[in-house]
Amino acid sequence: QVQLVESGGGVVQPGRSLRLSCAASGFNFSSHAMYWVRQAPGKGLEWVAISSYDGYQYYADSVRGRFTISRDNSNNTLYLQMNSLRPEDTALYYCARDRSRGAWSLIEYWGQGALVTVSS
Amino acid sequence: IQMTQSPSSLSASVGDRVTISCRASQGISNSLAWYQQKPGKVPKLLIYAASTLQSGVPSRFSGSGSGTEFTLTITSLQPEDVATYYCQKYYSAPPWTFGQGTKVEI
Repeated sequence: QVQLVESGGGVVQPGRSLRLSCAASGFNFSSHAMYWVRQAPGKGLEWVAISSYDGYQYYADSVRGRFTISRDNSNNTLYLQMNSLRPEDTALYYCARDRSRGAWSLIEYWGQGALVTVSS
Repeated sequence: IQMTQSPSSLSASVGDRVTISCRASQGISNSLAWYQQKPGKVPKLLIYAASTLQSGVPSRFSGSGSGTEFTLTITSLQPEDVATYYCQKYYSAPPWTFGQGTKVEI
């Protein structure tokens, strides 16, 4: 079955960096677009970034230029490098998989999330 | 494209028919998904392509609409349906935009 396990969350000071990882299993990782979606405490869902199966990356306006999504298909792992962190980046960060093989469509599977807290 | 849900919250009785609306600021064809997030849990895909039920989702859930107006209906509300429901457009993505959510209580 599809499993997505995030790691790397924690407490970090404003302006610092953090890298999240997502270990994927149970499917052909290299064939699917992968996402990061976040949820601030008590708030709704916000799409953050996508890594397409064929190497493209796109970002939400709120994180473009500060966050970088990448993937290691040989190790079935998705990453989110977060630089210049701000208090408003505090959230539970979900790793998620696209429903389709190949071109992206919509999010089907979600990990349990990694909590990132940005505070001095 | 902005996605607006209504109402923001609702309270209904077990067995009631519940309807949640989602409006897109521009036409998105039928490229709309609905997610259910139970308290403290991970979001779960309920419906995609506006009206296609995800495998394993109870048949009391249904979706309808196209263009700019969409509806999620629970025909007979059950205690386990207490959750926040989100619509999301995937037309002309990126970005993948979520509605603000509708909290359903008993």
